[in-house]
Amino acid sequence: EVQLVESGGGLVQPGGSLRLSCAASGFTVSSNYMTWVRQAPGKGLEWVSVIYNGDLTVYAASVEGRFIISRDNSKNALYLQMDSLRVEDTAVYYCARHYQSSDIYASWGQGTLVTVSS
Amino acid sequence: EIVLTQSPGTLSLSPGERATLSCRTSQSVSGNALAWYQQKPGQAPRLLIYGASTRATGVPDRFSGSGSGTDFTLTISRLEPEDFAVYYCHQYGSTPPYPFGQGTKLEI
Repeated sequence: EVQLVESGGGLVQPGGSLRLSCAASGFTVSSNYMTWVRQAPGKGLEWVSVIYNGDLTVYAASVEGRFIISRDNSKNALYLQMDSLRVEDTAVYYCARHYQSSDIYASWGQGTLVTVSS
Repeated sequence: EIVLTQSPGTLSLSPGERATLSCRTSQSVSGNALAWYQQKPGQAPRLLIYGASTRATGVPDRFSGSGSGTDFTLTISRLEPEDFAVYYCHQYGSTPPYPFGQGTKLEI
């Protein structure tokens, strides 16, 4: 069974950093396209970043230069390093596994809440 | 970047009724690369439809998707109590970013 479990969220001051983790089971992270999507409180879904095979990465303009997506094959995990955090980065962050070699998000974790506030 | 506009913002219906949700894109979506997700309060989104009309594994057949180009529709033929949720359309394919619509809240 495919399972994704995010962790690492919490309260951080503006300008601070956090590293989110997404532990995967039931499949191999290194062989799949993986994505981070976020959802601000009471708002809709916002795509954040994707990592493809060969570790090709793409970012939303709103996080480009501040966030880094990566994966650790030995731990079968996905990460999102978030630096220079802003109040507007406050959201629940979901990791998702793509469906085959597409940009369809077939499986999602339960999310982890990041709150950026002074 | 493509913009997805969903309507209505909120749809109030009763169990047993038919629901029709719309998603319009600012540019034509190549290959009908349009998906629908369902999100219930406090839960992660769930994939319902991809390729505009293909149901994901385990999705009941009362859910159907249609459309092409810039106009897409999610139809729920007979609403069950568990169908009341927020629904998002999502454009994928070509190159990122891949935007979501703003969502339609389906309420009792």
